[in-house]
Amino acid sequence: NAGVTQTPKFRILKIGQSMTLQCTQDMNHNYMYWYRQDPGMGLKLIYYSVGAGITDKGEVPNGYNVSRSTTEDFPLRLELAAPSQTSVYFCASSYDGVGRMNTEAFFGQGTRLTVV
Amino acid sequence: KQEVTQIPAALSVPEGENLVLNCSFTDSAIYNLQWFRQDPGKGLTSLLLIQSSQREQTSGRLNASLDKSSGRSTLYIAASQPGDSATYLCAVRPRNTDKLIFGTGTRLQVFP
Repeated sequence: NAGVTQTPKFRILKIGQSMTLQCTQDMNHNYMYWYRQDPGMGLKLIYYSVGAGITDKGEVPNGYNVSRSTTEDFPLRLELAAPSQTSVYFCASSYDGVGRMNTEAFFGQGTRLTVV
Repeated sequence: KQEVTQIPAALSVPEGENLVLNCSFTDSAIYNLQWFRQDPGKGLTSLLLIQSSQREQTSGRLNASLDKSSGRSTLYIAASQPGDSATYLCAVRPRNTDKLIFGTGTRLQVFP
């Protein structure tokens, strides 16, 4: 199993450009998450999905969009990049079953995005 | 609203010391709590998951405890090594949401 795979690892965007951060998992997890991590800060939730076709906003969704057409993939779209979106982006997944006690989350290696 | 706090924000210790990292959360209604390790420029690696019905979990030199009623978890690292240098994050899964809420982390440096 590859686990959670994110592409690209690094990207530089100009203000106003758009891009899609890719995330795929091969663990058949139903839950997937996108977080951003700014220097010296914790992880802030952007969007999450509890299953294919279902997405919901986290703490900081403005400027981003997501879709979940399959169980495996959860792409994050930036439509009009702004310098405030310079950050490291992490995708994560977990399996939430009955009882939900043992829902261990697994993370990708991150995408480092700079908007100039 | 669930809030997660980690103290201290940074810690520097000599090799061989036993140390304790702290994680506090404001709402005890959680499914579980998870400890992660993050190396500079890398992703998060899961260390331990404690279910709400459990009081502790152990993996090698690591031991994590959970006191749900007081809203606290501790990560105990025995006989610390320079390779333990990293940022340690805790995260809780609240019962009333589908989200995973993170603390801001403790940056640990173990020097030889």
